[in-house]
Amino acid sequence: GQQVMQIPQYQHVQEGEDFTTYCNSSTTLSNIQWYKQRPGGHPVFLIQLVKSGEVKKQKRLTFQFGEAKKNSSLHITATQTTDVGTYFCAGLGGGSQGNLIFGKGTKLSVKP
Amino acid sequence: EAGVAQSPRYKIIEKRQSVAFWCNPISGHATLYWYQQILGQGPKLLIQFQNNGVVDDSQLPKDRFSAERLKGVDSTLKIQPAKLEDSAVYLCASSQLQGAWGEQYFGPGTRLTVT
Repeated sequence: GQQVMQIPQYQHVQEGEDFTTYCNSSTTLSNIQWYKQRPGGHPVFLIQLVKSGEVKKQKRLTFQFGEAKKNSSLHITATQTTDVGTYFCAGLGGGSQGNLIFGKGTKLSVKP
Repeated sequence: EAGVAQSPRYKIIEKRQSVAFWCNPISGHATLYWYQQILGQGPKLLIQFQNNGVVDDSQLPKDRFSAERLKGVDSTLKIQPAKLEDSAVYLCASSQLQGAWGEQYFGPGTRLTVT
């Protein structure tokens, strides 16, 4: 079945450093979504990417969808302590009635 | 706009007991999802409803789990009997669009501990 792999599992950075998490799917995706889950909280939607090669930016966050629509990345520039949490990618398989497959997430800690 | 409501927030039961969780989605959202999130992992879809019909329940352990969405609004998820490996956070989410397109709004979850 469809699998979504995410690396790294953990990332510890000094405040101000950059951070990147990568997501890879075993199959071509219809779309990919990114969610952030703060410690003790629930997943909160960040963005959805649909088009091959798409790049979207939200302030210090840059999201990319690969040309083959099988991989994606999230890059945070100049991390802040408020960026702490677990970042999940979730891929939607082909077809009109699919469901999201979540990766295991990348847990980001930021040292002030 | 009110968010997705879930209750209870926490539940501790012994194995072989039964438990039920309740979810009230955002008003007007036709699609409702139940996810299981085991510690250290991403959410795993258990069941997806479109209005009051089941779209996908392929990963629902039907020998012990059941879910319903009466009148296409509120939903309940039941486990009977519970096993130790059912300890997890059960998340309810809703969305406006069909087929897992677009933003999913998650509730706060119910943390279940099975002893």
